Amino acid sequence: DGGITQSPKYLFRKEGQNVTLSCEQNLNHDAMYWYRQDPGQGLRLIYYSQIVNDFQKGDIAEGYSVSREKKESFPLTVTSAQKNPTAFYLCASSMRGSYEQFFGPGTRLTVL
Amino acid sequence: AQSVTQLGSHVSVSEGALVLLRCNYSSSVPPYLFWYVQYPNQGLQLLLKYTTGATLVKGINGFEAEFKKSETSFHLTKPSAHMSDAAEYFCAVSVGGGGFKTIFGAGTRLFVKA
Repeated sequence: DGGITQSPKYLFRKEGQNVTLSCEQNLNHDAMYWYRQDPGQGLRLIYYSQIVNDFQKGDIAEGYSVSREKKESFPLTVTSAQKNPTAFYLCASSMRGSYEQFFGPGTRLTVL
Repeated sequence: AQSVTQLGSHVSVSEGALVLLRCNYSSSVPPYLFWYVQYPNQGLQLLLKYTTGATLVKGINGFEAEFKKSETSFHLTKPSAHMSDAAEYFCAVSVGGGGFKTIFGAGTRLFVKA
């Protein structure tokens, strides 16, 4: 079955540590996105990538980094510079030129 | 710039009652409009979308929405609520340029009472 996988589902991190969230898709989609979800705030775009080896900052990129070395993969690193990283992180993808996004199951990150 | 406002962060209905979740948008160009549903600790799933053509759009699980340009609205309805409809619902708007131009509303949590 085609879809998007995110791992791990739950992640705990100590303050000052970097952590990488995985996102893989087998939908053959060109575009991939990372969103952060906080209660009552909807989804906010962190980074997006329209093609391999290219990505752009979204609305809240500070303290985050990404790479897009393969079409199928778009990992997100939450760095120690992110002041309030505890949140639910969602990865999504879409076909070129389409506005419909397909979402992964999410990773809940908690900073201890 | 576009924006999305969902009226009511929480809506409670009885099982079998009408579900109405409100969404208003702001856009200077014709928008693409979406409703997504999210169950606890899961990703978002597309319920329905409006791109062009018929303004009444039918989606999965008996939901539908009507695009009203004059009211800049895209309210989500379902004639008869089911317990399984309890979830959070997000309205979203896109205006050209691909998915990275999608703006999501803050969400409305739907509670269904037995």
